[in-house]
Amino acid sequence: KAGVTQTPRYLIKTRGQQVTLSCSPISGHRSVSWYQQTPGQGLQFLFEYFSETQRNKGNFPGRFSGRQFSNSRSEMNVSTLELGDSALYLCASSLGAGGSSYEQYFGPGTRLTVT
Amino acid sequence: AQSVAQPEDQVNVAEGNPLTVKCTYSVSGNPYLFWYVQYPNRGLQFLLKYITGDNLVKGSYGFEAEFNKSQTSFHLKKPSALVSDSALYFCAVSSASGGSYIPTFGRGTSLIVHP
Repeated sequence: KAGVTQTPRYLIKTRGQQVTLSCSPISGHRSVSWYQQTPGQGLQFLFEYFSETQRNKGNFPGRFSGRQFSNSRSEMNVSTLELGDSALYLCASSLGAGGSSYEQYFGPGTRLTVT
Repeated sequence: AQSVAQPEDQVNVAEGNPLTVKCTYSVSGNPYLFWYVQYPNRGLQFLLKYITGDNLVKGSYGFEAEFNKSQTSFHLKKPSALVSDSALYFCAVSSASGGSYIPTFGRGTSLIVHP
C-alpha cells in the first residue's frame, strides 16, 4: 500500500511569511506526528495528532500549529517564518498513538528554506 | 523524562566486517525500543523494534539488536557490513507509562562502510 506522502517536497519562503505543509498517512493509520530535523538539533518532536485530536506537543513556539482531518490527513502551519525555521520537516504515521509499541512510518519530508 | 543516547556521532567500518551502533536509554516503566535508518534526502525507515520477549531482535536488511535491561542498552548489529549500509541510524524509545508518550529519538549515528 502507498506510503506516507508529504507535499510540497521543497519550499522557499521569505522571513515573515507563513507556510502550510501537508501529510497523508498510510491508509488505516490514525496517528500522525510531525518532526523538525536540522543538523544542529537533530530530530525534534513538534506534535502528534490522533483521531483529529492533538495528543502531544513538543517544545516549540505557538507559531507552529497543526491539525488533522477526519480522513487522518494532517497539515502543519508555521506563521511569521524565521531564518531558524529552515529545516527538513518530517511527518510520520502509525497505527497506534504515542507511547504505543507501534513503529512509525516516515514520509520523505518537506525541505523548507527561509531567506 | 525519557532519553536516548547514541554516544558515537560516526562509526567507520570496513565492508565485510561486523558493525555495532550503540544506543542507551532511560525511561520509566517498560521501554519500547526502535531503530530507524535514514538515507540521504529520504525520510526515516523502520528497521526493527523490541517490545517484549526475546532480547535479540532481528530486523530488515540483516540487522539485529540486543536488548540489555541491566545496561539499559539496545545496540544495533550486523555480522557483515555492506557499503550500501552507509546511512544515518537513529535509536528511539517509547513507553506506555512514565508520563511521556512522545517517542524520543537519539541524535543519530552516521555509519560509513568503506569498500
